[in-house]
Amino acid sequence: GQQVMQIPQYQHVQEGEDFTTYCNSSTTLSNIQWYKQRPGGHPVFLIQLVKSGEVKKQKRLTFQFGEAKKNSSLHITATQTTDVGTYFCAGVGAGGGADGLTFGKGTHLIIQP
Amino acid sequence: NAGVTQTPKFRVLKTGQSMTLLCAQDMNHEYMYWYRQDPGMGLRLIHYSVGEGTTAKGEVPDGYNVSRLKKQNFLLGLESAAPSQTSVYFCASSHAASQYFGPGTRLLVL
Repeated sequence: GQQVMQIPQYQHVQEGEDFTTYCNSSTTLSNIQWYKQRPGGHPVFLIQLVKSGEVKKQKRLTFQFGEAKKNSSLHITATQTTDVGTYFCAGVGAGGGADGLTFGKGTHLIIQP
Repeated sequence: NAGVTQTPKFRVLKTGQSMTLLCAQDMNHEYMYWYRQDPGMGLRLIHYSVGEGTTAKGEVPDGYNVSRLKKQNFLLGLESAAPSQTSVYFCASSHAASQYFGPGTRLLVL
């Protein structure tokens, strides 16, 4: 079945430094979604990427979808303490997502002030 | 508009006991999902439903059953709880793309 790998598992940064997490799928994806989960909270949808090579920005967050639609990345510029949490990518296969998402194991972002 | 709600928030069970987790959504979404989240494992799909009266197995369905008798509700049942089912359970619903998650149920099986 479809597998989604995400690295790194943990990332410690100083406040103000940049952060990147990478996501790799074993199969070509229909689209990819990114979620953020604050400590003790639930996953919250951030964005969906659909097109090959797509790049989307949300303030300090930049999301990319690879040309082959098998990998993606999330880059945060100048991290702030509010960015703390776990970032998950979730692949949507050929079924279009109705049969659920395949989540990566997430990257825990820890920020030292 | 409450979104997705889950009850209970926390439960302790003894091995062999049964329980039902309730998920309710008020967004008129067709699709609903149950995930479990374990440390270092991310979120894994247990069962899902693409509409009232229909359910299907996900990645880790063993030991769980589900029912979707009403569009707004999705129930997850554990007939005979095992310590391996200690986890945080999240329900989610969606219409097309993004999924909306409930606050989660923390289950401890002793």
